[in-house]
Amino acid sequence: AQTIHQWPVAEIKAVGSPLSLGCTIKGKSSPNLYWYWQATGGTLQQLFYSITVGQVESVVQLNLSASRPKDDQFILSTEKLLLSHSGFYLCACPPPSAETLYFGSGTRLTVL
Amino acid sequence: QQQVRQSSQSLTVWEGETAILNCSYENSAFDYFPWYQQFPGEGPALLIAIRSVSDKKEDGRFTIFFNKREKNLSLHIKDSQPGDSATYFCAARRNYNVLYFGSGTKLTVEP
Repeated sequence: AQTIHQWPVAEIKAVGSPLSLGCTIKGKSSPNLYWYWQATGGTLQQLFYSITVGQVESVVQLNLSASRPKDDQFILSTEKLLLSHSGFYLCACPPPSAETLYFGSGTRLTVL
Repeated sequence: QQQVRQSSQSLTVWEGETAILNCSYENSAFDYFPWYQQFPGEGPALLIAIRSVSDKKEDGRFTIFFNKREKNLSLHIKDSQPGDSATYFCAARRNYNVLYFGSGTKLTVEP
């Protein structure tokens, strides 16, 4: 069975500090991977997607970047956090025979 | 411009009633519409989905009614239970890699 593991579960960071969030997929080879951001009490905004290792497409600019260093790994990062980066970051992947997305359990980020 | 709109931020029904959550969209090119259920502190989970070639999709207590001409759809939850209390997101897909979400409707089912 396919599983999505996100780390860390939660982070509290200072404005201006760097950030790295990770996502690992198990049980599916060469998955399409997606990063979403959700403000507290808000909707989900797609940030990036990646079809293959080394390739990342940006959907919306939020002063964040993403990388796909391995087939099963997707990294979200920034060198300088803003207050507006606070929220819930979700990694997603399509299941083997469905058209939509399954989401990981997310990382809660608080920027102070 | 919001691509997918959910008209109600919140909805309260009594246990056993049918909850109706509404959604509308802008882009005629959207062809696939999933609904997600999200509990606090968790990632959203796929509940049910419909393709634009269909006008109805049923799965147990959950039914989607889809009106392509009017560009709207609704999620009906029959015999609502307190455990159905969650936030429900309507979403729409234009191409395989981009999914747009509505702002969500927080459903409360009172016992």
